[in-house]
Amino acid sequence: EVQLVESGGGLVQPGRSLRLSCVASGFRFGDFAVSWVRQAPGKGLEWISFIRSNTYGGTTEYAASVTGRFAVSRRDSNSIAYLQMNSLKTEDTGVYYCTRTLLRTGTDLGYFDSWGQGTLVTVSS
Amino acid sequence: DIQMTQSPSTLSASVGDRVTITCRASQSINDWLAWYQQKPGKAPKLLIYRASTLETGVPSRFSGSGSGTEFTLTISSLQPDDFATYYCQHYENFSRTFGQGTTVEIK
Repeated sequence: EVQLVESGGGLVQPGRSLRLSCVASGFRFGDFAVSWVRQAPGKGLEWISFIRSNTYGGTTEYAASVTGRFAVSRRDSNSIAYLQMNSLKTEDTGVYYCTRTLLRTGTDLGYFDSWGQGTLVTVSS
Repeated sequence: DIQMTQSPSTLSASVGDRVTITCRASQSINDWLAWYQQKPGKAPKLLIYRASTLETGVPSRFSGSGSGTEFTLTISSLQPDDFATYYCQHYENFSRTFGQGTTVEIK
């Protein structure tokens, strides 16, 4: 069974940093891309970052709202993905989901076929 | 960025009803569209990808159609477990935008 488990969320002051982790199991993690999607309280879903498998170069992409502040990485040997969040703003508050991403052939674009349970990040003074 | 607009925002229906949700893209996305179901306090769940391909394990009462800029998600006979919020998402280009969601509530 495919499982993704996020951790690392919590209450943090504006301007500070937080690192989220996503531990995967039940599939060959190194063969798949990973995306992070977030959801502000009572709001819709927002894609924020993507990392391709290291086998295919480990390409990363970010939404404009987090570019320059967030960094995604992965350690395939431990089936873990990370989201380093710096210079946090109050508008970064929400639930952060790690997702397995299935790609269109030859692109970095795809949909999210498996989701973790999410981890809540609250940015507040 | 490609904008995704869902309608209606909220839909009231009864068990057994046929339900249709529409998702419109601001430019052509071919058939690079997915649909997700989310229940309160839970992660979204993939229902359909490539506009009309049912994800494994999803009941056949769910179906998707469309291409270009207009898409629909249809539930042929609404079941109690289907009351939830539904999102479309394109993967045509970088923005990977979601629609704002459609909540299906009990009438």
